[in-house]
Amino acid sequence: EDKVVQSPLSLVVHEGDTVTLNCSYEVTNFRSLLWYKQEKKAPTFLFMLTSSGIEKKSGRLSSILDKKELFSILNITATQTGDSAIYLCAVIKAAGNKLTFGGGTRVLVKP
Amino acid sequence: DSGVTQTPKHLITATGQRVTLRCSPRSGDLSVYWYQQSLDQGLQFLIQYYNGEERAKGNILERFSAQQFPDLHSELNLSSLELGDSALYFCASSVSAGLETQYFGPGTRLLVL
Repeated sequence: EDKVVQSPLSLVVHEGDTVTLNCSYEVTNFRSLLWYKQEKKAPTFLFMLTSSGIEKKSGRLSSILDKKELFSILNITATQTGDSAIYLCAVIKAAGNKLTFGGGTRVLVKP
Repeated sequence: DSGVTQTPKHLITATGQRVTLRCSPRSGDLSVYWYQQSLDQGLQFLIQYYNGEERAKGNILERFSAQQFPDLHSELNLSSLELGDSALYFCASSVSAGLETQYFGPGTRLLVL
C-alpha cells in the first residue's frame, strides 16, 4: 500500500527561525511530489518536484527531492507569523493518476 | 482566491439523508477533483473528472457519486449519510488531466447529525 509520511507532526518556532519539514514516501511508479500550504481553508500549491537534486525556490521557501532515499524536504527561512499553517505533501503515481497525501505538519510561528 | 468556487459553504443534515455539493472550476480548467478532509483521515482523494469523463478514482465510497457537466462544473452526491461523513469536502481544478498544480476551492463543510 502506498504511504506518505510527514514529520514532525507539528512544531513551534519563533519569527526569524528556519524550519525544515520532511516528507518520505513509499509508492510504486512514482511520478511527482507536491507541497501545499493549508491555512484556514483550502490548500494552496507551493511546489512540484519530479527530478532528484534540483532545488525549487520561491522567496523564503525551498524544496528538494531525493528519489534514491525517497524523501523530500521543505525549508522555510526567516519565518514569519504568516507562515503558520499546515504543510501537506502529496505524491502522484505514474499510473492511475492517484494522489496520496501525507498527514501534514502543523507549523506555528510565534512573534 | 483560486478561482474555484464551491457551494454551499456549510451544510448541516441528518443521518440517512442525501446532499449535493457543487463545484465550478477555474475558467479554462478541464479537470475537476474531489477531496475529503476529516480530522482522523487527513486529506483523501475521492475522484477526478476530465472534460466530462471520469479519469481517476480514489477512496470514494459506493454511497458517493460525482459527475461533470458539459459546462465543466461538477457535483458530488453523498447519499445515506453517516456521522462519519462529516468532513470538509474540497474541489480542485487544473488545466490538464494530470494531477499537477491543482487549485483548490474554499471547501464545503458538511456536518451530519
